[in-house]
Amino acid sequence: QQQVKQSPQSLIVQKGGISIINCAYENTAFDYFPWYQQFPGKGPALLIAIRPDVSEKKEGRFTISFNKSAKQFSLHIMDSQPGDSATYFCAAGPLSYGNKLVFGAGTILRVKS
Amino acid sequence: DTAVSQTPKYLVTQMGNDKSIKCEQNLGHDTMYWYKQDSKKFLKIMFSYNNKELIINETVPNRFSPKSPDKAHLNLHINSLELGDSAVYFCASSQGARGSYEQYFGPGTRLTVT
Repeated sequence: QQQVKQSPQSLIVQKGGISIINCAYENTAFDYFPWYQQFPGKGPALLIAIRPDVSEKKEGRFTISFNKSAKQFSLHIMDSQPGDSATYFCAAGPLSYGNKLVFGAGTILRVKS
Repeated sequence: DTAVSQTPKYLVTQMGNDKSIKCEQNLGHDTMYWYKQDSKKFLKIMFSYNNKELIINETVPNRFSPKSPDKAHLNLHINSLELGDSAVYFCASSQGARGSYEQYFGPGTRLTVT
């Protein structure tokens, strides 16, 4: 019940294309779903996060879509750029004391110019 | 202006040694975390402290002992290092119960045990 399954493991997208990464969770107590971006040799950086009271959240070229009944959420990167090439992690956890996040296995995104 | 800092960035040591990693945050956050990222880049929480109190303690060997001298600092001491401890260790912080749950990560410490 603690797993977060992320797919695909890796993704190659042409510059200007849309990158889509999917995650599924099992624990219905989870109510906070962030996405992190990690460049080689750096720490994960929070990209965007959503709570289950909304089905979509957009920040610039990044959009999270959330389907509570299916227990799935996804990250869409519009107009993908070479600078977006990084590893992306979804995570899920309860908005409670301690906020213990469970991370997906990560998706390596490469945007070809 | 570093928000979450860790020292050292790299740590190479031999099996059986004891080592420490230090973490400091200047964001005024109440909650701090230690994560381990393995060679497959899988991130897993190890510990969490809120105002110097341990609130999350995952299934981690008791060779790992976190210590929080104050709410801005969280150190990780590892005894009797093993080859399997080789990983990147990340410190993170968040406001916690007072407000935003957004976690901000440090740059990581790459530990190599030979």
